[in-house]
Amino acid sequence: EAGVAQSPRYKIIEKRQSVAFWCNPISGHATLYWYQQILGQGPKLLIQFQNNGVVDDSQLPKDRFSAERLKGVDSTLKIQPAKLEDSAVYLCASSLTGGFDSPLHFGNGTRLTVT
Amino acid sequence: KNQVEQSPQSLIILEGKNCTLQCNYTVSPFSNLRWYKQDTGRGPVSLTIMTFSENTKSNGRYTATLDADTKQSSLHITASQLSDSASYICVVTGNYGQNFVFGPGTRLSVLP
Repeated sequence: EAGVAQSPRYKIIEKRQSVAFWCNPISGHATLYWYQQILGQGPKLLIQFQNNGVVDDSQLPKDRFSAERLKGVDSTLKIQPAKLEDSAVYLCASSLTGGFDSPLHFGNGTRLTVT
Repeated sequence: KNQVEQSPQSLIILEGKNCTLQCNYTVSPFSNLRWYKQDTGRGPVSLTIMTFSENTKSNGRYTATLDADTKQSSLHITASQLSDSASYICVVTGNYGQNFVFGPGTRLSVLP
C-alpha cells in the first residue's frame, strides 16, 4: 500500500510569513494527525481528525495555526504568521480506525525553517 | 500527568555490539506500548507493540520487554548494524481512545 504522502519536504520562510503543508493519508484511513517535532524531542500532537471532523485540537496554537481536512481525505496545515519557534518538522500520520490498537503510519515530514 | 521518559538520551556503540534502551512511563490506565524507529529525515516506523499481558516480543534483532507492574519497557538490539543508527521513540497508549504519549527518544549511533 502507498504510504502517507507529505509535501513539501523542506520549506524556508522568514518570520511573519505564511506557509502551508499538505498531507495525503493512506487510502481508507479514517484518522489523520498532525504532529510538530522539534529537534531532539518526540512528536507533539497538534490536531487529530476523525474523517472530516476535529477530535482533538487542544494543543494547536489557534491564533496562528489552522488545519482542515475537507472531504475526509487529504489535509492542509497552515501557519500564519510564522514565528522563529515554529521551526520544526511537521509530521502527518494516519491510522485505520482511530482505535487505541490501530498503529500510526507516519509520512516523512516537512522540515520548516523560520529565519 | 501522563509522561514517558527514555534513557539514555543518546548512545554511541560499535558495529556488532549489543545495546539496551529504556522507557519508563506513568500513563494510566495502560493499553499498549510501541517502539518506533525514526531514521534521519524520515517519519517514525513501528517496530513492536506490547500489550499488558506480554512480557517479551522479538522482531528480528530487536527484542522488547515490558514490566507493567513497574511501568518499564526496554528495547534490546543484538549485533548492531550501521543501519540501526536512528532515534528510537517509546509511545504509550492509554485506554481512552487515541491517547498516544510520546517519549523524547534515544538517539543511537552505530560506528564502524
